[in-house]
Amino acid sequence: DVKVTQSSRYLVKRTGEKVFLECVQDMDHENMFWYRQDPGLGLRLIYFSYDVKMKEKGDIPEGYSVSREKKERFSLILESASTNQTSMYLCASSPTGTGAGNTIYFGEGSWLTVV
Amino acid sequence: GQSLEQPSEVTAVEGAIVQINCTYQTSGFYGLSWYQQHDGGAPTFLSYNGLDGLEETGRFSSFLSRSDSYGYLLLQELQMKDSASYFCAIIGWGKFQFGAGTQVVVTP
Repeated sequence: DVKVTQSSRYLVKRTGEKVFLECVQDMDHENMFWYRQDPGLGLRLIYFSYDVKMKEKGDIPEGYSVSREKKERFSLILESASTNQTSMYLCASSPTGTGAGNTIYFGEGSWLTVV
Repeated sequence: GQSLEQPSEVTAVEGAIVQINCTYQTSGFYGLSWYQQHDGGAPTFLSYNGLDGLEETGRFSSFLSRSDSYGYLLLQELQMKDSASYFCAIIGWGKFQFGAGTQVVVTP
């Protein structure tokens, strides 16, 4: 089974702190994603990466950055956390290619509270 | 750009049939997928439509009509465990764009 692991399930951080959310996948997938999920807004794409050291902005990249130094690891960075970044963050991965690339696999989510 | 619309909530009794519609506006895409998410859990894959028509997987079926910019997920023989949020998603050029989700509440 595909496994996407997010390092922290619950975090509480202070306004202005730098926050790192780590994600690792074990299926050698090319594509990795970070979403945030808020009630009534569904899943909104923050950033995605289709290869090592490559990154693309999603729909809501402001206030976030990402790092992909190794294929299996995709990190989300909040440079200076703010209260409006309190949310659940979902990491995901998917393979490339017609057919195989139709499915995205999610981690269990990281609940971030910024106080 | 892309946007997907789906109802926010649907309530039905056990054994009933529920249809969740998804309308979209997009300039192009590979297919439409559906994901299920239970409270506190990760979204998991349910079905994918790359071509127009109906795809059936057990009690769940999904439909796509590109000419109508419309798809739906059909849940048959509803069970209590089907209470969850259901998301439609557009797959295009390496990106997965999700709708806001439909909360399905199954009552005894």
